Amino acid sequence: SAVISQKPSRDICQRGTSLTIQCQVDSQVTMMFWYRQQPGQSLTLIATANQGSEATYESGFVIDKFPISRPNLTFSTLTVSNMSPEDSSIYLCSVAPVPPGGPGGYTFGSGTRLTVV
Amino acid sequence: SQQGEEDPQALSIQEGENATMNCSYKTSINNLQWYRQNSGRGLVHLILIRSNEREKHSGRLRVTLDTSKKSSSLLITASRAADTASYFCATGFSSNTGKLIFGQGTTLQVKP
Repeated sequence: SAVISQKPSRDICQRGTSLTIQCQVDSQVTMMFWYRQQPGQSLTLIATANQGSEATYESGFVIDKFPISRPNLTFSTLTVSNMSPEDSSIYLCSVAPVPPGGPGGYTFGSGTRLTVV
Repeated sequence: SQQGEEDPQALSIQEGENATMNCSYKTSINNLQWYRQNSGRGLVHLILIRSNEREKHSGRLRVTLDTSKKSSSLLITASRAADTASYFCATGFSSNTGKLIFGQGTTLQVKP
């Protein structure tokens, strides 16, 4: 299965600023996803990062707040823009096995723990 | 949005006992997966069961799937203190978008 390097692992940011989170995969993958996990909660899908085209956002998430880049099949970034304390969460990237629904599970980055003060 | 619910939300057992967690979902699925998360870090895939399967085993794990009831259960036998973690079910859809939608999770504490 793929190995993901996610950076930064944690950060404390001032409200109103932006933070960009990076995920580097050690192999080419078609499907890449970004999740948010609020304190004590489950994972909520933010968007599917599409290579070479705009990301596909889930209900409740918008590009202006969470711009995503996917310049190639091994790399993606998620930016949390104009942050407020409500954005304090763990953000995780994930890649699907090839093919999706194959015998292996999805691989997750180790997460970015964001605190907005 | 979350696909379904898990129960119990929290479970505390003694080492050596079995732990059972249940997951319900709402829509048709292609597969259902279980993941473990330690201390809010990255998730680890445990087991996948397809919609045409009813039961699957992996080591001390046993997963069942009842598509008529839209529910699944995860059984961990002979639990160990190292099994202490949060457990999540996640559903993959027939539309093959590749998306995984997670349940609310069960926090398991295994006391030595």
